[in-house]
Amino acid sequence: QVQLIQSGAEVRKPGASVKVSCKVSGYTLTELSIHWVRQTPRQGLEWMGRFYPEDGQAIFAQKFQGRVTLTADTSTDTAYMQLSGLTSDDTALYYCATDFFCDTVRCYHYWGQGTLLTVSS
Amino acid sequence: DVQMTQSPSTLSASIGDRVTITCRASQSIGRWLAWFQQKPGRAPQIIVYKASSLESGVPSRFSGTGFGTEFILTISSLQPDDLATYYCQQYNGDSWTFGQGTKVEIK
Repeated sequence: QVQLIQSGAEVRKPGASVKVSCKVSGYTLTELSIHWVRQTPRQGLEWMGRFYPEDGQAIFAQKFQGRVTLTADTSTDTAYMQLSGLTSDDTALYYCATDFFCDTVRCYHYWGQGTLLTVSS
Repeated sequence: DVQMTQSPSTLSASIGDRVTITCRASQSIGRWLAWFQQKPGRAPQIIVYKASSLESGVPSRFSGTGFGTEFILTISSLQPDDLATYYCQQYNGDSWTFGQGTKVEIK
């Protein structure tokens, strides 16, 4: 059974940065790609970007280009999302999720439990 | 970018009612469409993937149909446990897009 366990809630001041972790268990990180999604009452679910641990490549939603950094430590099967230049609009619940991957019978897809980020002066 | 338009935004129905939620894509996404259920304080839980494949363990009263740009999630007989917000998600290509969500309330 694949599980994604995220780091705990964070509080930051405007202008600061935050780094959220997502540890994968039950699978090898290099066999997955990891997506990051955030959720706010106003914007709903927003896709932020995708990281490919196998080669370290990442793609981003245009909205987050230049502010988001996606990385991974394959030795610990942990993915990271760093968001810089925080404003109050970044207050949200942040999720990591696997891509859809399939065997001959069915497909699989998993989400972390979410990390609440509060940005406040 | 593919835009997803989901309707209605809120739905009020009685126990036992048949409920349908629609999701339209701004361009064809084939069958690369998933439906999620989200309850307060919980992460989204997948219920349908590839437009019509029911996730393991999901009750058979849930079903998904569609191809290309129009997709439907149906709950054949609404149950109290179905009180939640439902989202569609396209995963055609490298990026994802979500619908705005449909909040299902029990009348």
